[in-house]
Amino acid sequence: EAEVAQSPRYKITEKSQAVAFWCDPISGHATLYWYRQILGQGPELLVQFQDESVVDDSQLPKDRFSAERLKGVDSTLKIQPAELGDSAMYLCASSLTGPEPSYEQYFGPGTRLTVT
Amino acid sequence: AQSVAQPEDQVNVAEGNPLTVKCTYSVSGNPYLFWYVQYPNRGLQFLLKYITGDNLVKGSYGFEAEFNKSQTSFHLKKPSALVSDSALYFCAVRDRKSFQKLVFGTGTRLLVSP
Repeated sequence: EAEVAQSPRYKITEKSQAVAFWCDPISGHATLYWYRQILGQGPELLVQFQDESVVDDSQLPKDRFSAERLKGVDSTLKIQPAELGDSAMYLCASSLTGPEPSYEQYFGPGTRLTVT
Repeated sequence: AQSVAQPEDQVNVAEGNPLTVKCTYSVSGNPYLFWYVQYPNRGLQFLLKYITGDNLVKGSYGFEAEFNKSQTSFHLKKPSALVSDSALYFCAVRDRKSFQKLVFGTGTRLLVSP
């Protein structure tokens, strides 16, 4: 069964350092999502791509976070500089695209970030 | 804005007993509702969804959910709980104003005791 791949699974970094996460969606899924999940809370959307274009980044802290999906396939989420409050699980998901609103999202295993 | 509420932080049930995890929603228009499960240090796994049609939706691993429009609820149920069902469960609603965006509840931890 096809899965969303993410790396690394765990990342420990010091405050003010740069960190990057990678995601490879399920083949054929044009829509890709990055979520942040703080311990004890539900995932919150950071950014959503349709192919290589950003369609929603309203919750992305743009002063320190950036995301790209240059060829419309895999994606990278970067934080620079990292802050203590960025410690969380970062989840990538993908889905089919179209007028049908019922497409479910498939999630990767996530990257657990700890900022010290 | 569209939202879901999960009123219970934790649900405890004995193995073999029926379980219910509650979810209520607030949307404008017809809701698109989803349940996901999360095991420790893992991503979310899709369980089931309600888009339209029959109010009782069947999903993976023997789970089902009942959509109730008058009570704006979408409770997750299983007739007979297993210890392996112990996990974190999230209800979510699709935001119709934002392209396929999912808005999640805060989650309910299910603990099934042997």
